[in-house]
Amino acid sequence: DTAVSQTPKYLVTQMGNDKSIKCEQNLGHDTMYWYKQDSKKFLKIMFSYNNKELIINETVPNRFSPKSPDKAHLNLHINSLELGDSAVYFCASSQPNRAVYGYTFGSGTRLTVV
Amino acid sequence: GESVGLHLPTLSVQEGDNSIINCAYSNSASDYFIWYKQESGKGPQFIIDIRSNMDKRQGQRVTVLLNKTVKHLSLQIAATQPGDSAVYFCAEGQYGNKLVFGAGTILRVKS
Repeated sequence: DTAVSQTPKYLVTQMGNDKSIKCEQNLGHDTMYWYKQDSKKFLKIMFSYNNKELIINETVPNRFSPKSPDKAHLNLHINSLELGDSAVYFCASSQPNRAVYGYTFGSGTRLTVV
Repeated sequence: GESVGLHLPTLSVQEGDNSIINCAYSNSASDYFIWYKQESGKGPQFIIDIRSNMDKRQGQRVTVLLNKTVKHLSLQIAATQPGDSAVYFCAEGQYGNKLVFGAGTILRVKS
């Protein structure tokens, strides 16, 4: 069973469209994250939810809206897509009461805006 | 195919040799550090972690060294294999806070 699964794996869309990426984890973790990886492989956190509550919201355009219906799911909705949104988006989860917060990552969603 | 990220530092090693990947971190208050491996088309995968009160930790074929004086972290891979080829990231974190990733290093293993 996949621990953190994201769909879709690839997403090609035109500028101005609205799209969503879904993420589910079956690890029983309380915290989930969205990271963005740019073309230089730099990983930057976007959002973090702990048990359905938003706890980290980095400087991200408000076109990006995360939604967590329950602690096992964290979806990312993007409005009015722009060329600069093209990147690989990774979902991750962790269990904060562990001594070390190792994150488990999904396999990524490659978003291409044309 | 996926862009490899030509601006990343690259380490090329011969199969069977030892590899050392270095990382400079910024936050002297970090509680722990983690090394991740990212293979092409996959998400980062946990390799090994070390707490800030330690200076060395060993795993299977991997050793992480932490030098807090100069804020430096290294990952040593013994007897490097083709399957070790990937992008390696160090990350630093504080308990109750987010994990911050450094820029990656490409490891290429030559057979």
